[in-house]
Amino acid sequence: AQSVTQLDSQVPVFEEAPVELRCNYSSSVSVYLFWYVQYPNQGLQLLLKYLSGSTLVESINGFEAEFNKSQTSFHLRKPSVHISDTAEYFCAVRSISNFGNEKLTFGTGTRLTIIP
Amino acid sequence: NAGVTQTPKFQVLKTGQSMTLQCAQDMNHEYMSWYRQDPGMGLRLIHYSVGAGITDQGEVPNGYNVSRSTTEDFPLRLLSAAPSQTSVYFCASSYSIGNTIYFGEGSWLTVV
Repeated sequence: AQSVTQLDSQVPVFEEAPVELRCNYSSSVSVYLFWYVQYPNQGLQLLLKYLSGSTLVESINGFEAEFNKSQTSFHLRKPSVHISDTAEYFCAVRSISNFGNEKLTFGTGTRLTIIP
Repeated sequence: NAGVTQTPKFQVLKTGQSMTLQCAQDMNHEYMSWYRQDPGMGLRLIHYSVGAGITDQGEVPNGYNVSRSTTEDFPLRLLSAAPSQTSVYFCASSYSIGNTIYFGEGSWLTVV
């Protein structure tokens, strides 16, 4: 069975400082990896995803994540954060069983708070 | 393009009452699912459907029923509400396996 671990439940960061949100996964089958962002009182929005190919994926707002198969990690990074990045971030792994059923498993989330 | 639409956005129920959370998507997606979000527990899969007429259980299906009579709609029914079902519920859909999953804006449910 697959699982996702987000070790940091809360991460406070000063504005314009770099940030890394950690995500580790376990799965016995091929995986697709995702980061979703949830702004206050809103639904989840896809931030970026890894399906195949280049292990470094980027979003349009400056976030990037690197798939590391040997370390089973998919950490999210941004070199310089803004107030508007304050949100909760969820890592997710999407796996497909031998029967063809897919499942999306989420981590418990990391609340990123930007300090002015 | 409405995407994934959930109703109602807010609901208060008394213990033992039943209700249905509605979910509709206009993207012709085959795959639809329901999650609940609780503090410190992330999102947990309740039920999912891979197409009209096909549904299956997720991680936390007890107390919930679903049906998928059309491609567009995937309602979630609470049979007899309990305080433990107080949560935020998200409906999601995707075109097929491997495609991006789109989420609705959530339904905040309180059971008193």
